[in-house]
Amino acid sequence: KQEVTQIPAALSVPEGENLVLNCSFTDSAIYNLQWFRQDPGKGLTSLLLIQSSQREQTSGRLNASLDKSSGRSTLYIAASQPGDSATYLCAVPDPYNTDKLIFGTGTRLQVFP
Amino acid sequence: DAGVTQSPTHLIKTRGQQVTLRCSPISGHKSVSWYQQVLGQGPQFIFQYYEKEERGRGNFPDRFSARQFPNYSSELNVNALLLGDSALYLCASSLTVQSNQPQHFGDGTRLSIL
Repeated sequence: KQEVTQIPAALSVPEGENLVLNCSFTDSAIYNLQWFRQDPGKGLTSLLLIQSSQREQTSGRLNASLDKSSGRSTLYIAASQPGDSATYLCAVPDPYNTDKLIFGTGTRLQVFP
Repeated sequence: DAGVTQSPTHLIKTRGQQVTLRCSPISGHKSVSWYQQVLGQGPQFIFQYYEKEERGRGNFPDRFSARQFPNYSSELNVNALLLGDSALYLCASSLTVQSNQPQHFGDGTRLSIL
C-alpha cells in the first residue's frame, strides 16, 4: 500500500531564506508526483508535476526534484516571501489505481517579514 | 478560462440529512474526481468519473454516491449525514484519465454537520 509522508509538518522562516520541503513515498512504482499549494480554507493549486522519467521541474522560484529509487521528492523554494505562506502537499497516483491520488499530510509554511 | 468551480462554498446540515455538492470541470476536461479533506489531513479519494462512467471508488461507505452528466459536470451525494462527514469536499478535473495528466482542483465545499 502506497504511503506518502511529508517532513517537516510545520516550518517558520524569515523572509529571504531558501528552504526545502520533503516528500517520501513507500512504493517507487509511481507514474508522476505532483506538488500543490493550499491556502487556509481554500482548494489546491497545482505547482509542479514531475513525470517518472524526469529528475526535476522548475517554475519561477520553485524547483522540484524526484528520486524514484530512494522514494523521495523535494520542493525547493528560493528567496522565500510572506506570500509563500501556505500548506504544501505532495501527491502520487496509486500504483494499482492511477485515477486515485494519494496525498501526504502537508507541510505548513509560515514566512515572516 | 474558468477553473474548476464548486457550489455551494459552505453548507451547514444536521445529522441524518442528505446533501448534494456540485462541480463544473475546466472546459474540455472529461475526468472529474472527488476528495474529502478533514482538517489537518491530506485529501482522501472518494470517486473518479470519466465519460459518465465510474472509474474508481475510495474506501467510503455506500452513503456516498456520485454521478457525471453529459456536459461532464458532476454531483456528489451524501445520505444520512454523520458528524464525521464534516470536511472540505474537493473536486478535481483533468483532460483524460492518463496518469501523466495533472489534476486541477476547485476551492471546495466546506460541509459542517451539527
